Amino acid sequence: AQKVTQAQTEISVVEKEDVTLDCVYETRDTTYYLFWYKQPPSGELVFLIRRNSFDEQNEISGRYSWNFQKSTSSFNFTITASQVVDSAVYFCALSDSTSGTYKYIFGTGTRLKVLA
Amino acid sequence: ETGVTQTPRHLVMGMTNKKSLKCEQHLGHNAMYWYKQSAKKPLELMFVYSLEERVENNSVPSRFSPECPNSSHLFLHLHTLQPEDSALYLCASSQEDRGIQPQHFGDGTRLSIL
Repeated sequence: AQKVTQAQTEISVVEKEDVTLDCVYETRDTTYYLFWYKQPPSGELVFLIRRNSFDEQNEISGRYSWNFQKSTSSFNFTITASQVVDSAVYFCALSDSTSGTYKYIFGTGTRLKVLA
Repeated sequence: ETGVTQTPRHLVMGMTNKKSLKCEQHLGHNAMYWYKQSAKKPLELMFVYSLEERVENNSVPSRFSPECPNSSHLFLHLHTLQPEDSALYLCASSQEDRGIQPQHFGDGTRLSIL
């Protein structure tokens, strides 16, 4: 079964705190892709990162970092020194070919509120 | 100009009205998508078009009718909608339809059914 779980519905932090958003996925495929998107109040989902299943290296981009662990089927996202502009809904997504063609599904999202 | 443009941004319509949502992408992509985003529910994929052909229709009611006249434009024609159809409708595009490349989204159309 193909599934993405973002157990944290909403997180509130104070500015400059670090915060980690969890993403756990399920797939029977050995080749798959994981994504993170940010949805600010304006509505547009903004692509942040893509990872394929063969690349388990962690990635850092400025204050953002991602921890991909196949052993726990997790692809967690950490924001260091959070800022008010980071307030948004963050979605994790999975794409695999379990059903024969690639299917792209999203988690339910985590709403992050960064308070000044 | 932004990569994916959706119009209108907001739409209020009665259940008997007919309206259309428009999406235009300026990224040279070959695949386009319609999603429905309701409160507290996951993003629901409605339709996928690849090279102007519909490749996926996820059991969407016939009161939603998509149209893709060319690879840059995608429409969603609406008629006889129900109150539960009130949602944010998002359009996206990607280089291909196999789910390998990231999708680029528009700002969405906020639809309210009276």
